[in-house]
Amino acid sequence: DAKTTQPPSMDCAEGRAANLPCNHSTISGNEYVYWYRQIHSQGPQYIIHGLKNNETNEMASLIITEDRKSSTLILPHATLRDTAVYYCIVVPNFGNEKLTFGTGTRLTIIP
Amino acid sequence: GAVVSQHPSWVICKSGTSVKIECRSLDFQATTMFWYRQFPKQSLMLMATSNEGSKATYEQGVEKDKFLINHASLTLSTLTVTSAHPEDSSFYICSARDGSGTGSEQYFGPGTRLTVT
Repeated sequence: DAKTTQPPSMDCAEGRAANLPCNHSTISGNEYVYWYRQIHSQGPQYIIHGLKNNETNEMASLIITEDRKSSTLILPHATLRDTAVYYCIVVPNFGNEKLTFGTGTRLTIIP
Repeated sequence: GAVVSQHPSWVICKSGTSVKIECRSLDFQATTMFWYRQFPKQSLMLMATSNEGSKATYEQGVEKDKFLINHASLTLSTLTVTSAHPEDSSFYICSARDGSGTGSEQYFGPGTRLTVT
């Protein structure tokens, strides 16, 4: 599976958009970009995934560059409850593929 | 969204005893469930993949005789930590994949914190 690189930590002011980058320069054509987050002492939560088109759901937007070597997760109006570790994971979308969690980005929302 | 539960949420046991952790998918059928372990301030590490009705596939370095996994139905998988020792103290998290879906998204349980004294 392609490896991902994320900044270890980021701060964002409450109410502003949080933009979390992820580099996946070795991603292959059949691999999707998935985002999960883990709030302290809880199980991870699925956020969004995409292949090459930008995606949006009720939680976030995912912007994938045209060459697919990087992506950005956008939380449009961050709240204190969005403080968590965010994981960007690349995986083939064949169904039963295991997820390999890296170190993620610790996002802290500042009041 | 899909809901996965774990029981118990926390457990304290004595060294040498066994502990069973249950993982249930509440509103969907899970053909595949995964078990992870997370030590403090570290990321999740996959321990094993379990498919309903077949033997689990363990990751390298995970002792299959120590961490017994049973996935007897489409909504239940269990992890038994046998002869637990203090170094097994960790946060154990399961996830399940919705068998009716086409993607690889997994839904995680809330985790079980195991403390071995």
